[in-house]
Amino acid sequence: AQSVTQLGSHVSVSEGALVLLRCNYSSSVPPYLFWYVQYPNQGLQLLLKYTTGATLVKGINGFEAEFKKSETSFHLTKPSAHMSDAAEYFCAVRVQGGNKLVFGAGTILRVKS
Amino acid sequence: GAVVSQHPSRVICKSGTSVKIECRSLDFQATTMFWYRQFPKQSLMLMATSNEGSKATYEQGVEKDKFLINHASLTLSTLTVTSAHPEDSSFYICSLREGAGNTEAFFGQGTRLTVV
Repeated sequence: AQSVTQLGSHVSVSEGALVLLRCNYSSSVPPYLFWYVQYPNQGLQLLLKYTTGATLVKGINGFEAEFKKSETSFHLTKPSAHMSDAAEYFCAVRVQGGNKLVFGAGTILRVKS
Repeated sequence: GAVVSQHPSRVICKSGTSVKIECRSLDFQATTMFWYRQFPKQSLMLMATSNEGSKATYEQGVEKDKFLINHASLTLSTLTVTSAHPEDSSFYICSLREGAGNTEAFFGQGTRLTVV
């Protein structure tokens, strides 16, 4: 079975500072990994995904994540935070060929001016 | 990305009544549909998975007679919460996927259900 752990339910950064949201996964088979963003009372929007190939994945809004198999991690980063980045972020895992997405508990990102 | 329309965005109903939530794919054929439930300050919990034309597969602990899922076509899935109770109040989100492999899933905007 797969599982996802997001370290830190709340992260607060200053505008312009580095954003780092942590995600570790557990999967017995090669995983597909995803980061989603959710604004209040809205559905989820895909930021980026890793399936195969290059382990550094670039997504929308300047976000990127690196798949590190040895560390079973897929941390999300952005060099410079904007106020508009304030939202909740979910890491998710799905096994290759599988249907089911398993989500982490989410991390609320707060950006201070 | 693909467009998924979920309706209504908010609904308030009385205890004992039923509520239907619709999820439509507007520009692709959704072979697989997922329904999630999200409690305040918590993550998304998968309720059920359905493939077009076949019965939904429910996750453990989800009552199939209470949460009726109909995946009648490749563009429409509905979730009906029957005999709603206040504890059913939650945020319900649908997700649609075209094909298999590494195709991504697209999410609806969510429905905030409040049972009074």
